[in-house]
Amino acid sequence: QTVVTQEPALSVSPGGTVTLTCGLSSGSVSTSSYPAWYQKSPGQPPRTLIYTTNSRSSGVPDRFSGSILGNKAALTITGAQAEDESDYYCALYMGNGICVFGGGTKLTVL
Amino acid sequence: QVQLVESGGGVVQPGRSLRLSCAASGFTFNTYGMHWVRQAPGKGLEWVAFISYEGKNKYYLDSVKGRFTISRDNSKNALYLQMSSLRPDDTAMYYCAKGGWLHIPDYWGQGALVTVSS
Repeated sequence: QTVVTQEPALSVSPGGTVTLTCGLSSGSVSTSSYPAWYQKSPGQPPRTLIYTTNSRSSGVPDRFSGSILGNKAALTITGAQAEDESDYYCALYMGNGICVFGGGTKLTVL
Repeated sequence: QVQLVESGGGVVQPGRSLRLSCAASGFTFNTYGMHWVRQAPGKGLEWVAFISYEGKNKYYLDSVKGRFTISRDNSKNALYLQMSSLRPDDTAMYYCAKGGWLHIPDYWGQGALVTVSS
């Protein structure tokens, strides 16, 4: 069974930089996993931030960027703002339209 | 712009059935795969099912196989999720999502709440 791992919680100061990661319980994440990142706030539907590792969705501020760091996918927020406080989920593509979400990272901006 | 509107959620007893619908607009529905994704209270996002653009290929989360059926009507720009033998752990907000590049979910509806309780 594929388990996608994320940090349960992270914090960042306003204006600071934070990196969230997305790994596999066994194996490495690469560009061929086509990692995507979503922002999920309470009472709101998910918002797609990044797809296929580092492509930013329409309307997403350029302070959000995606990459591969070592054997994990990464979402970096540069110049964090108060409104970035939210839950963030990565998803990895498993083929045939199947994707697996990570457990999510709760990001606090303080 | 892309719009996805779910309907059909509600409270249902364990073992009963429910059908969710998703009305799509703002894109050429019959050229994109579609997903259902859910979020149980206090839990993370969980992919549930995917259907290819023409409806031929369908894939499911193991825990819903044999109980849930994803389908679509391209003439009506509509996506469905027929849920049967519902269990309390199926309680969740269910989102329909459009598949984008490589079918990765890109646009999302507002969700439909399903509560399974006696």
